[in-house]
Amino acid sequence: DAGVIQSPRHEVTEMGQEVTLRCKPISGHDYLFWYRQTMMRGLELLIYFNNNVPIDDSGMPEDRFSAKMPNASFSTLKIQPSEPRDSAVYFCASSFRTGGAVYEAFFGQGTRLTVV
Amino acid sequence: AQSVTQLDSQVPVFEEAPVELRCNYSSSVSVYLFWYVQYPNQGLQLLLKYLSGSTLVKGINGFEAEFNKSQTSFHLRKPSVHISDTAEYFCAVSDPKTSYDKVIFGPGTSLSVIP
Repeated sequence: DAGVIQSPRHEVTEMGQEVTLRCKPISGHDYLFWYRQTMMRGLELLIYFNNNVPIDDSGMPEDRFSAKMPNASFSTLKIQPSEPRDSAVYFCASSFRTGGAVYEAFFGQGTRLTVV
Repeated sequence: AQSVTQLDSQVPVFEEAPVELRCNYSSSVSVYLFWYVQYPNQGLQLLLKYLSGSTLVKGINGFEAEFNKSQTSFHLRKPSVHISDTAEYFCAVSDPKTSYDKVIFGPGTSLSVIP
């Protein structure tokens, strides 16, 4: 498997524009996580899905952020409208549950978003 | 809520010297614990995990960690570091108050190996 695939790797956009980040999880994984990484706040969990259903979105910072998972092989994170403070590296990770818990998250290489 | 503390934000160490990266978590109940490594411009990669059983856990690249329930710690160690170990290291814990599915990461420790 090619691992978790994120696109684009880099995105530069102007304030106020809509931004869509994409993620393809590892085949067979039933959990998908979106994280945001900044120098100030470290690695924050934004939202996660189980079997394409959002389970916990308490980390989503504002209504400007939304995430979808229309099927097991694709997820998007959308920011509309974007603001300079949204500049960060956004990671997607996937995992699977065996036994009682999720044991390991496999991370993509991230999307570096810059909002000017 | 569950939290993870990594006491050292930066750790410089000479090549072939031993290193310990410290991690403490807030919960006193059963938890799952992880160490991840992030190389420059890369995603995170699992080094090792503690789920249950032996408190000494061995991982990849010669790293190991010891779970200490009484001190709520999970420190990462390596007896002899290499230049290639230069990276950011994250301690993480699953949150038993919500579910084991939700993993909380610490702020990270930047390890710099000096030739």
